[in-house]
Amino acid sequence: DSGVTQTPKHLITATGQRVTLRCSPRSGDLSVYWYQQSLDQGLQFLIQYYNGEERAKGNILERFSAQQFPDLHSELNLSSLELGDSALYFCASSATGVNQYTGELFFGEGSRLTVL
Amino acid sequence: GNSVTQMEGPVTLSEEAFLTINCTYTATGYPSLFWYVQYPGEGLQLLLKATKADDKGSNKGFEATYRKETTSFHLEKGSVQVSDSAVYFCALSVLNNAGNMLTFGGGTRLMVKP
Repeated sequence: DSGVTQTPKHLITATGQRVTLRCSPRSGDLSVYWYQQSLDQGLQFLIQYYNGEERAKGNILERFSAQQFPDLHSELNLSSLELGDSALYFCASSATGVNQYTGELFFGEGSRLTVL
Repeated sequence: GNSVTQMEGPVTLSEEAFLTINCTYTATGYPSLFWYVQYPGEGLQLLLKATKADDKGSNKGFEATYRKETTSFHLEKGSVQVSDSAVYFCALSVLNNAGNMLTFGGGTRLMVKP
């Protein structure tokens, strides 16, 4: 158990709809990362938050947005869903600060999104 | 920019065979290097890491050596087991003041047959 919790584990929805994926990081971790894993594109970095602020942005579509709340949990919002958005979405967290840096990310088990 | 290239799979081996999964990288600065493993139906978990040149990371019989001169971090295991069947990801990170952001390779699926 990595200590990172993601909900829901599975989600099936229709094109054009909007969904929200939720992530609770490990206790004490201030950084949260979102990754998308699809069959043909491997692991793609979407976005990183640190203590409530956006810190880095990767290949995240404009239809997608995320935020990190004061209690450090994070949500990834996916709207106007398309068939190609079907994928496994991972959240990860890391210890932060120079004295805590290990370089390791702790991943949740992922949320599998199926768009029909 | 940073990037990681690893051999495409799937790699199919018989039990007790020797495993090598190649990984090369390009990076600005001095990256740390990682191998993550993803077992079926699970999230990624750290397998081993190396933070500077010539370091060897090892865990569960797997090893990888950080070779700066060849920008490589190849994963090896002397004798694979069926339970090693998984997808293996090579990754690098460069520290920023908010933690680290991993750049992953495309993953290599390993299938070990009894």
